[in-house]
Order: sequence, then structure tokens, then C-alpha cells
Amino acid sequence: NAGVTQTPKFQVLKTGQSMTLQCAQDMNHNSMYWYRQDPGMGLRLIYYSASEGTTDKGEVPNGYNVSRLNKREFSLRLESAAPSQTSVYFCASSENLDRNNEQFFGPGTRLTVL
Amino acid sequence: DQQVKQNSPSLSVQEGRISILNCDYTNSMFDYFLWYKKYPAEGPTFLISISSIKDKNEDGRFTVFLNKSAKHLSLHIVPSQPGDSAVYFCAASDGGYALNFGKGTSLLVTP
Repeated sequence: NAGVTQTPKFQVLKTGQSMTLQCAQDMNHNSMYWYRQDPGMGLRLIYYSASEGTTDKGEVPNGYNVSRLNKREFSLRLESAAPSQTSVYFCASSENLDRNNEQFFGPGTRLTVL
Repeated sequence: DQQVKQNSPSLSVQEGRISILNCDYTNSMFDYFLWYKKYPAEGPTFLISISSIKDKNEDGRFTVFLNKSAKHLSLHIVPSQPGDSAVYFCAASDGGYALNFGKGTSLLVTP
């Protein structure tokens, strides 16, 4: 039981390049989330998916797109990376959107945009 | 605009003593609060939560206290252990799915 897995663990991009961050969970959770954490900041929600087939914007969605590929997988895409997107990205999942349901986090992807 | 504030970036405590981590919030609509713990190179893990209908919640060595009038909550760890050394995030919810996180407090428990 791996929980929430994320790939890659580290990535360096040049400004303007694109990439997709992958996330998968094996807990049969309905809801999934993407957060970013900047130095000295708390986690901020980028996008979330309440259930398979649905996605919605969070607090900081600009510059990102997401795909809920199936119940297990939720990917985050940067179409044209900018230095301001240098951050650590965390994927999380929970049984559903009810805030009483614990969110389980992946280990994170550390992204640097030069 | 930071609605959840953890004003102490770091805290150092001796093993066996009490660790007290503080959190303040500004949004009076917040009614559910959580603490997450994060080790380096790992994702946050849920530690303990409290609803606004309570003023205290305990789970083993961890107790969270909520003072609604002061918009303040605190996490007490007794006794502190070296394995508790981590970054602790306070988070709050106003009833929706989104969690508002503080910046975190780095706790160091020294032997």
C-alpha cells in the first residue's frame, strides 16, 4: 500500500518549457488535490478534483492545468513554466471533500524554473 | 492575506519537556482546525484536529486547545521526544473543502 505517489521527485526546467507532474493514489479515494509550498509559506491549493471527471480551481490556479485521468491519477501541467512557479508541489487525496476526512499527502516534487 | 498565522518560525525544546506551538487566525468563519506534521523530504501527515464546538481535543501525547474568543489555538506535546522534531502546520477550514495553512513552525527537540 504505497498511499500517494508523485513523480518526478526533482525537476529543473528552463523558462517557457512545459512539463506534467504525475500523482497516483491507491486508497480508492474520490477526491484529489494539488498544493504548492513556497519558502516560508504554508501550502496553497492550486486545483482539486472532487471526484473522477471533475476538476475545480483552488486559490492559485493561474499557469496550471490539471487532468483527473481516472480515479487513481491526477496530473498537474505547466504549459509554459515561469520562475515564479519554482516551488515544492504536493499532491493529496481524501475519501471525499468532507473536511473531516483526512488528506493524505505525497512526498512532493521539487521544481526549479530557471 | 494570511488568515492563519504561526508567528514562531522555530521552537527548541528539551526532550521530556512540553512543546507548545501556537496558531492565530483572523477569519471568524473558520470552524474546524487541524495540525499537520512534516518531516524533510516527505509530505505533511495529519496529526490532530478540533471542531469549534470543542475547546480541547487529546490524542496521546498531543493536545490541541482552541480559544474561539481570542481566535487562537495551540498544540501541546507532552512529553516531547526527539522524533517529534519536524515542521508543524496549523490549518483551518470554514466549512468548505479548502484548508488554509499557516507558514509552519519548525520544532527541534534536543536530547
